[in-house]
Amino acid sequence: DGGITQSPKYLFRKEGQNVTLSCEQNLNHDAMYWYRQDPGQGLRLIYYSQIVNDFQKGDIAEGYSVSREKKESFPLTVTSAQKNPTAFYLCASSIGGSHHSYEQYFGPGTRLTVT
Amino acid sequence: GQQVMQIPQYQHVQEGEDFTTYCNSSTTLSNIQWYKQRPGGHPVFLIQLVKSGEVKKQKRLTFQFGEAKKNSSLHITATQTTDVGTYFCASKAAGNKLTFGGGTRVLVKP
Repeated sequence: DGGITQSPKYLFRKEGQNVTLSCEQNLNHDAMYWYRQDPGQGLRLIYYSQIVNDFQKGDIAEGYSVSREKKESFPLTVTSAQKNPTAFYLCASSIGGSHHSYEQYFGPGTRLTVT
Repeated sequence: GQQVMQIPQYQHVQEGEDFTTYCNSSTTLSNIQWYKQRPGGHPVFLIQLVKSGEVKKQKRLTFQFGEAKKNSSLHITATQTTDVGTYFCASKAAGNKLTFGGGTRVLVKP
């Protein structure tokens, strides 16, 4: 089956620890994205990548880092510098490039709780 | 940057009734996409509108793009409990990014 996987579904960490969230896709999509969603809120873009070995900051990149060493993988690290890391994190991908349709396909998400 | 605003933020609907949610922008949009997120789930793409005045239907859902391409609407007919969730509009921003609205949270009263 083609799709996007995120792991783990739930993640608990102590304050001050870095944590890396996994995102893998087998849709052969060029573009990948990370969003943060707080309870009852919309989606805010953290980082995005349009091609391997390249990524750009989104609207709320502070306290986060990413890498894009492989087309199918786009891991997100939540660092200790992120002041309010507890949230629902969603990874998405799209065909990207110059394709007319930019519909995004989302993974199931990871709920991160930091105490 | 480009922003899209959605109203209402919450919509309580009696089962069987119709309702409409709106997405507005102060700037001309190149396209508009709609997503649905069920409670506890992830957003799922519903549809994309590109042309001025475009109207598309999916069963009980009717999507419309305004003539000036600055607003869009989603109308649901005969609401069912399966319609519960949050509906987001989104529009293409610079590069391959999407700008999402804040969403309309729909609750259905049986």
